[in-house]
Amino acid sequence: NAGVMQNPRHLVRRRGQEARLRCSPMKGHSHVYWYRQLPEEGLKFMVYLQKENIIDESGMPKERFSAEFPKEGPSILRIQQVVRGDSAAYFCASSPPIGSTEAFFGQGTRLTVV
Amino acid sequence: GQNIDQPTEMTATEGAIVQINCTYQTSGFNGLFWYQQHAGEAPTFLSYNVLDGLEEKGRFSSFLSRSKGYSYLLLKELQMKDSASYLCAVYNTDKLIFGTGTRLQVFP
Repeated sequence: NAGVMQNPRHLVRRRGQEARLRCSPMKGHSHVYWYRQLPEEGLKFMVYLQKENIIDESGMPKERFSAEFPKEGPSILRIQQVVRGDSAAYFCASSPPIGSTEAFFGQGTRLTVV
Repeated sequence: GQNIDQPTEMTATEGAIVQINCTYQTSGFNGLFWYQQHAGEAPTFLSYNVLDGLEEKGRFSSFLSRSKGYSYLLLKELQMKDSASYLCAVYNTDKLIFGTGTRLQVFP
């Protein structure tokens, strides 16, 4: 049973380009969370999704950021027109359906905007 | 608002015991987690407390007092590999809210 898979592990983008980060949850998990971690800082909640549904996006910046978790395929975090301040590690976590609170984290995608 | 406080950094000696404190004020509470994170890696689960009291798991123990909004992680018989960040997180309604983490350095 593979863990939470994120790709790519490292992503370099020029300012103004788009970044797409992918997360495949653990088998049997239907809840996905995205977190951002700036250097030397803690994890900041961005968005919580279930299949085809955004449950809580209170941590998402209002512009340029979007997330989806389609019926088939991985969850995608999309950042349009990236800026230097978007450089961070983006972690995805997944958890089983209702009844469990533990979240399992992927290895993260390190985004560098140059 | 949501507020989770931990010390930024701590140091300790190999073989010693260290206690990392966490205080929280959140709008909801469904349990408190501790995660360990080595530099450049994913957080890994250490412990979960939802009721008051002490949970022991090998060299690591975690304590919770819900009335005081307080938890601590106790690490015994410290090893060099325990040098990492330790993240306190509150499960609030539908998601984990993290503190900024405590960076622990273990010296020989």
